[in-house]
This record gives sequence, structure tokens and C-alpha cells, in this order.
Amino acid sequence: IVLTQSPGTLSLSPGERATLSCRASQSISSSYLAWYQQKPGQAPRLLIYGASSRATGIPDRFSGSGSGTDFTLTISRLEPEDFAVYYCQQYGSSPRFGPGTKVDIK
Amino acid sequence: EVQLVESGGGVVRPGGSLRLSCAASGFTFDDYGMSWVRQAPGKGLEWISGINWNGGSTVYADSVMGRFTISRDNAKNSLYLQMNSLRAEDTALYYCARGDNADYRWNALDIWGQGTMVTVSS
Repeated sequence: IVLTQSPGTLSLSPGERATLSCRASQSISSSYLAWYQQKPGQAPRLLIYGASSRATGIPDRFSGSGSGTDFTLTISRLEPEDFAVYYCQQYGSSPRFGPGTKVDIK
Repeated sequence: EVQLVESGGGVVRPGGSLRLSCAASGFTFDDYGMSWVRQAPGKGLEWISGINWNGGSTVYADSVMGRFTISRDNAKNSLYLQMNSLRAEDTALYYCARGDNADYRWNALDIWGQGTMVTVSS
């Protein structure tokens, strides 16, 4: 299963809403779709698992949705610390990450 | 504090070998499956291998199958990655990560180490 993320880069201002897309080449069980955030020089951090469940300690401005082949990560109001690269991952029989979406400051 | 600390990275010639280690602390290690994920300089994340709670089941990405071996020692709270026949394209920061259940796949990665750098160069 190949994952495609769009857009490649999203330029937004603090306070704006961010909508990130992850599309799979085949249907994924929603149980096996995750989102991660990575800041420069840091390890990735799990944000969302099971397509829509927030990981421990993740603020509720982050939400995940979708099913089948189309999944979305939404950040309701961007905080300065949210500017980062976001990866989706399907963690089924052959785990794989998408190429990432960079959210940068406009 | 829940923590994963990788070690063992370095510079190695093409065709050489290296063994990475990951020391776990702050949680019951043998309750969880573990994975290795790598990131080439300036590139995205690549999942490369997973192992279940007792080491009895493993899985590999095609890019490393037959060359890399994942293992664990629950008595030492440690995860390992034996890397043989290294290639230039294996140059990356290697992360160990904890799965959110005991399986060797079908798990999101909820705890990550800071990574250890492997450079394959002549």
C-alpha cells in the first residue's frame, strides 16, 4: 500500500486551520492509520492512531478522520509550536509512511 | 520516565556490518512490540523492521530483508538491529520505537528514541 500526502507544503499563519490529506493506494482498515509530527532535530511524535484517536497528551486542536483510502488530519487553530512536518502511516501487514506534509509559517 | 536510547551508530564501509542497540527504561519492555525506523538525511521516515513482545515474530521492509536482523533481549530491556552488507543508501538516522501493543506490526509507534546515525561510505 502506497501513501500519498498532500499538499507537500502548506503555508499558513498562526490561528488558521490546517487540513492535511493522506491517500492510500488501497483501502486501509481505519484501525491502522496513524499521524506523526516531526520538528527539526527531533524524533517523530505520535499524534493520532486508529485514524481518529488522539494519543496521550495531544491537544484537542488535533483531530483525525477518514476511512478507506482517504484520511485527513486537521489542526483547528495553528499554534506556533505546530509548524512542523506531518507524516501519515499505515501500520497493517507492511507498515509504511507517507512522504510528509510540511506546515510552515506564511 | 519512559525512554528509549539508541547506540551503536557510526561510519562503516560499503559491505560492512554494524549492530545497533536500543535500551528501554520506564516501562515493562516485554509487554510491547518494537520497531526500527530510519530517516535518510533530509528525507522522510522509512519503517524497516518490527518484532513482537517475545521475539518470536519479526517482519522486514523489502529494502532490508535478508541483510538486517531485528532481535531483542527482554532480560536486558534491549532491542537490537544487526545490519550486514551495508550500502550507501542505508545511510540514515536510525530510530527505535515502541509499538502500542505486543504485536510485531499492526501497532502505532507511541514512544521514540532520539536516533543513532549510520553513515555508509568508503
